[in-house]
Amino acid sequence: AQSVSQHNHHVILSEAASLELGCNYSYGGTVNLFWYVQYPGQHLQLLLKYFSGDPLVKGIKGFEAEFIKSKFSFNLRKPSVQWSDTAEYFCAVSFIKAAGNKLTFGGGTRVLVKP
Amino acid sequence: GAVVSQHPSRVICKSGTSVKIECRSLDFQATTMFWYRQFPKQSLMLMATSNEGSKATYEQGVEKDKFLINHASLTLSTLTVTSAHPEDSSFYICSARDDRAGRVYNEQFFGPGTRLTVL
Repeated sequence: AQSVSQHNHHVILSEAASLELGCNYSYGGTVNLFWYVQYPGQHLQLLLKYFSGDPLVKGIKGFEAEFIKSKFSFNLRKPSVQWSDTAEYFCAVSFIKAAGNKLTFGGGTRVLVKP
Repeated sequence: GAVVSQHPSRVICKSGTSVKIECRSLDFQATTMFWYRQFPKQSLMLMATSNEGSKATYEQGVEKDKFLINHASLTLSTLTVTSAHPEDSSFYICSARDDRAGRVYNEQFFGPGTRLTVL
């Protein structure tokens, strides 16, 4: 069965540090890839998405992610985090032509940015 | 654009009662909506896919008689938790897929969630 895994459950870092969150999936076919963010007390918001083309995608708030097909990975990065980036981050994958194109979420990573 | 609302945001009910949660796409039409459940400190688990004008598709292990889904219009889906019990307490989140984007992209827009507490 298709699955999505996020390696880090919790990340604590200081402002201005760089952030990288790992996301891997298991599926050999075509995928659409997403990163969502959930700020405390708020609903899920889309950070960025990849459907095709340039594997390096840029999203909102300075985030970017790189799709590496050979590694089945879609890692999220931000060069310099701010206190306001404290949130939970979810990687989600739509497995095209499998599982009805539904989104499968990773377990989430809680990020705490210390001021 | 692409705003999804849920009502109510919080509900507390007694064991054995039924609770209805509404999910609305406010500025777009959504043939397909999704219902998720999120346990504390865990990820979203898809419960069912709600299809306008047809029966919902439930994920394995989700009781269709327990979680009734009705998608009566292109902007509204409802989830009814029937005969709720304390183990049904959870955070329920809906999402809607914008029909304008087409089925290829499957981008979903999420509602703010409903916190259900069953006493």
